[in-house]
This record gives sequence, C-alpha cells and structure tokens, in this order.
Amino acid sequence: QKEVEQDPGPLSVPEGAIVSLNCTYSNSAFQYFMWYRQYSRKGPELLMYTYSSGNKEDGRFTAQVDKSSKYISLFIRDSQPSDSATYLCAMKPGGSYIPTFGRGTSLIVHP
Amino acid sequence: GAVVSQHPSWVICKSGTSVKIECRSLDFQATTMFWYRQFPKQSLMLMATSNEGSKATYEQGVEKDKFLINHASLTLSTLTVTSAHPEDSSFYICSADRQGTNTEAFFGQGTRLTVV
Repeated sequence: QKEVEQDPGPLSVPEGAIVSLNCTYSNSAFQYFMWYRQYSRKGPELLMYTYSSGNKEDGRFTAQVDKSSKYISLFIRDSQPSDSATYLCAMKPGGSYIPTFGRGTSLIVHP
Repeated sequence: GAVVSQHPSWVICKSGTSVKIECRSLDFQATTMFWYRQFPKQSLMLMATSNEGSKATYEQGVEKDKFLINHASLTLSTLTVTSAHPEDSSFYICSADRQGTNTEAFFGQGTRLTVV
C-alpha cells in the first residue's frame, strides 16, 4: 500500500461545477498537508497548505483535512476551464522538509 | 510567494553527452533544495536532497555518479546528467524550502530532457 493514494482520473466536469479532489494516506505522523496545481510541462504550484485537521479557504478553493479518517480534500467552487490541470496532494510529518506526493488527479473543466 | 527559477526549460541532447540543469531561488536563501523526476501521468519521484556546502543525499536506486548534484551557494543548485541515455529522458523538477520554514516547498518550472 502506498503512503499516499490519489485517483489519477481524469475527472471531467462542466464549467461552474463544484469539484472535489481527494487523497487518503496511511502514515499517522503526517502533520502538514499541501495541494499543488501542475499545468502540462510546468512545475507544481502551491495552492494551499494546512496544518493538522480542519478547513482552510482561499477564494474558490477550500482544503479540508480529516486526520481521524486519514483523508484530505480540495474543493474548487465555480470551476473554470483555466482550472484544468493536474492536482497533486502532498503531506509531511513535522520537522521534515521532504513531502510525500500523491500521483495527481487530472482535472478537465469543459466550457 | 517565493520564486524558484529552473533553467533550461527544455533540452535535447545526444546520447553520451552531459547536460546541466540549474535551479535558483530568486528571492530567498535555500540551504536545502530537492531534485525530482517525473514520468508522464506519474507522481514526483525524489531523486536527491541537495545541501549547501555538503554532499547531496541520494535516494535509493539513484546513481550518484550519473546524476551529479552541486549546491555551491544558498541560491543555486545544479543537476548534471552525465553520459545521458534515452532512458534518462524525463521531466526534472527542483524545489526549495525557505530557510527556517517547515511548511511549503516552491518548485521550479521543470526541465524536459530528451536524449536522442
């Protein structure tokens, strides 16, 4: 079993839809949880990070962490075609700089 | 957010030649930088951790003599793929953490290497 599991998709939604992206993990030591967006042939761009459990909102994006279930989510409201990209979750224990990445979910938002 | 610049963004080289990729933190100092490799539709695979002023730490299965890493200053790390072969063709990405933080990594734009 991989430490971080993420469905690769693709996930195809119409413009304006609410998108839910998810990751599960097995390492209970993970404390920091990040979401990255990666456009084709580009490096990942940090979207959100949260510490421990709870919700965090930034514009159209909401990150949610449920440590009891070892489950994290990223919600995108009012999705736009420009949101089409691969979304990678990443997480790491406290005190460590090296995150463990999911394989990414490919999102396609069609007009 | 912090900026990490990676150069070149793409390179094509002949089999047997060496290629150098640069990773620079533009607006912060990075004592530690990371080099990743990414295959199509796959996650990032950590190759090595680059530490300023000391030898890099390589992940299991990564040949240190083939992938030479130098971290000569707090803002620059280089990855040299020596004697490149077609199987080395991949997307290489660097990242850096701001000194003293333990939160987010900032990534370079990536380098698409094609060995012909």
